[in-house]
Amino acid sequence: GENVEQHPSTLSVQEGDSAVIKCTYSDSASNYFPWYKQELGKRPQLIIDIRSNVGEKKDQRIAVTLNKTAKHFSLHITETQPEDSAVYFCAASTGGGNKLTFGTGTQLKVEL
Amino acid sequence: GAGVSQSPRYKVAKRGQDVALRCDPISGHVSLFWYQQALGQGPEFLTYFQNEAQLDKSGLPSDRFFAERPEGSVSTLKIQRTQQEDSAVYLCASSLAGPANEQYFGPGTRLTVT
Repeated sequence: GENVEQHPSTLSVQEGDSAVIKCTYSDSASNYFPWYKQELGKRPQLIIDIRSNVGEKKDQRIAVTLNKTAKHFSLHITETQPEDSAVYFCAASTGGGNKLTFGTGTQLKVEL
Repeated sequence: GAGVSQSPRYKVAKRGQDVALRCDPISGHVSLFWYQQALGQGPEFLTYFQNEAQLDKSGLPSDRFFAERPEGSVSTLKIQRTQQEDSAVYLCASSLAGPANEQYFGPGTRLTVT
């Protein structure tokens, strides 16, 4: 089955800096890659996703890139703010209503 | 509109008790998923419904776990004879059918088995 690896496990940045989180996946059939933000005790919230027919997608301060050949995808957050502090999870699926396989999470801390 | 809701939000069970966890998906969402999230880990897939049909239950850890969605809307995850290793947050997610695969999560039920 699919295996998703995520790193780093913790990331500390200064407010205003950029943060990058990287994930790799194993199943070449995977074609849908969402990113979720989870604050302590809260539900995972979808923040951005990308499908395999595009290489990059951007939404304001957040962008995701996908390299299908290398089977890796990354989340980029620019101009980080304290409210970006949370755990971020990447995931992969073969789409069409299929299950998500999650990475192990990255604890992002944005320091003032 | 209303998001995915789950109840109860917290459940404490003594080892050996049965528990039932409820999920109300977003109205009109055909697909419903259950995930288990252990402390400090990512969610792990348990089972998937499309309408009332359980199409994938490969993630259920043992035959003590049972899920149903009899009318294609509300779903219940039942755990029989709970064990300490069942302690986790149980998350429900729903999505529309088709290639659009955005899954929206509920707040979860935190189960503690003592």
